[in-house]
Amino acid sequence: KQEVTQIPAALSVPEGENLVLNCSFTDSAIYNLQWFRQDPGKGLTSLLLIQSSQREQTSGRLNASLDKSSGRSTLYIAASQPGDSATYLCAVSQGGKLIFGQGTELSVKP
Amino acid sequence: DGGITQSPKYLFRKEGQNVTLSCEQNLNHDAMYWYRQDPGQGLRLIYYSQIVNDFQKGDIAEGYSVSREKKESFPLTVTSAQKNPTAFYLCASSIQDSSYEQYFGPGTRLTVT
Repeated sequence: KQEVTQIPAALSVPEGENLVLNCSFTDSAIYNLQWFRQDPGKGLTSLLLIQSSQREQTSGRLNASLDKSSGRSTLYIAASQPGDSATYLCAVSQGGKLIFGQGTELSVKP
Repeated sequence: DGGITQSPKYLFRKEGQNVTLSCEQNLNHDAMYWYRQDPGQGLRLIYYSQIVNDFQKGDIAEGYSVSREKKESFPLTVTSAQKNPTAFYLCASSIQDSSYEQYFGPGTRLTVT
């Protein structure tokens, strides 16, 4: 059974730092991997989607990488800002369904 | 504006009552999904539907029911058989193309006392 783990569960950094969020999964037979952002009490906003055949995707200050063979993905956030404070969730697609990690709660201090 | 709407945003019910959560999308997506989120946890799949008049159980379907009579709508009923119904419920949809990228609604917070 696919399991998705995100480390760390919470992270606090000063504004301007570059940071990396980690996501690991146990079964490499995935269709794609999505990174989402969730603000408190809100729905999920899709940030990046990486197809299983791709190695990385970039959008603005965000870069996501995928290493299927080792079951890992990272989300790199450059020059963090207080507005980046949120919970970040990764999810792998398998059998037409998404399996989610528990998320990393990020706090960026001014 | 294209998107997914969920109503209401907050819902309160007494124990023993059934309650139906609404999810509507105007994105012309074929597939729709219902997830449950508990504090500090990721999302867990309740039910999903890839086509009208067809749906499948997810990982935690017990105590829930759904219908998919129209492409745009996928209501979720939380029945009295669901032992711990208080949670944040999220609806999503996706187009059945090469990406299967899912888009989410704003969620409904259900509190049962």
